[in-house]
Amino acid sequence: AQKITQTQPGMFVQEKEAVTLDCTYDTSDPSYGLFWYKQPSSGEMIFLIYQGSYDQQNATEGRYSLNFQKARKSANLVISASQLGDSAMYFCAMGLLTGNQFYFGTGTSLTVIP
Amino acid sequence: DVKVTQSSRYLVKRTGEKVFLECVQDMDHENMFWYRQDPGLGLRLIYFSYDVKMKEKGDIPEGYSVSREKKERFSLILESASTNQTSMYLCASMPGTGFDTQYFGPGTRLTVL
Repeated sequence: AQKITQTQPGMFVQEKEAVTLDCTYDTSDPSYGLFWYKQPSSGEMIFLIYQGSYDQQNATEGRYSLNFQKARKSANLVISASQLGDSAMYFCAMGLLTGNQFYFGTGTSLTVIP
Repeated sequence: DVKVTQSSRYLVKRTGEKVFLECVQDMDHENMFWYRQDPGLGLRLIYFSYDVKMKEKGDIPEGYSVSREKKERFSLILESASTNQTSMYLCASMPGTGFDTQYFGPGTRLTVL
């Protein structure tokens, strides 16, 4: 069963605008971590932000914030003030302590328009 | 900074060849992973290892094997390469305890002709 769902294959955003990339997850494990990665056209996976299942506050890292809604099992990434360099694939992932496994979504391709 | 290196960025092999993809990490991480990435399918886990000489199958292990003789090195082996194994292969490492991000190598784009 798919554990991470990203329903937006492609997104466009105007430069300097904010954009939300959707991610929902499925697990019955109470302890988990949620991650977002950026993959530019060069191919490397860049870690952006992390949210733990017990964290009360939404995670923020510079222009990135994670909108964590536990009851809805969603972990959306918000990028504020988009820049041309934000154009990339974005992957949501979930890590479980049991089995040291990670589950990735299928990704969202973000294009920032000047 | 954690560094994960992969032996090749681009590789072209012929059907039936034995292919070795090497991954080395320099941060003494217990866990190492091999993924393949295909358009529209995201990252799919092939194998992972949580200790030297230990390995576990991921979601798509068929046609692949792995070797971890030293903690820092995790090798992916295609015993007899086939055209449907043409893909981007990503290696990652992760510390053994608690939650931490996976650290990725630059990837190897393998083409099997």
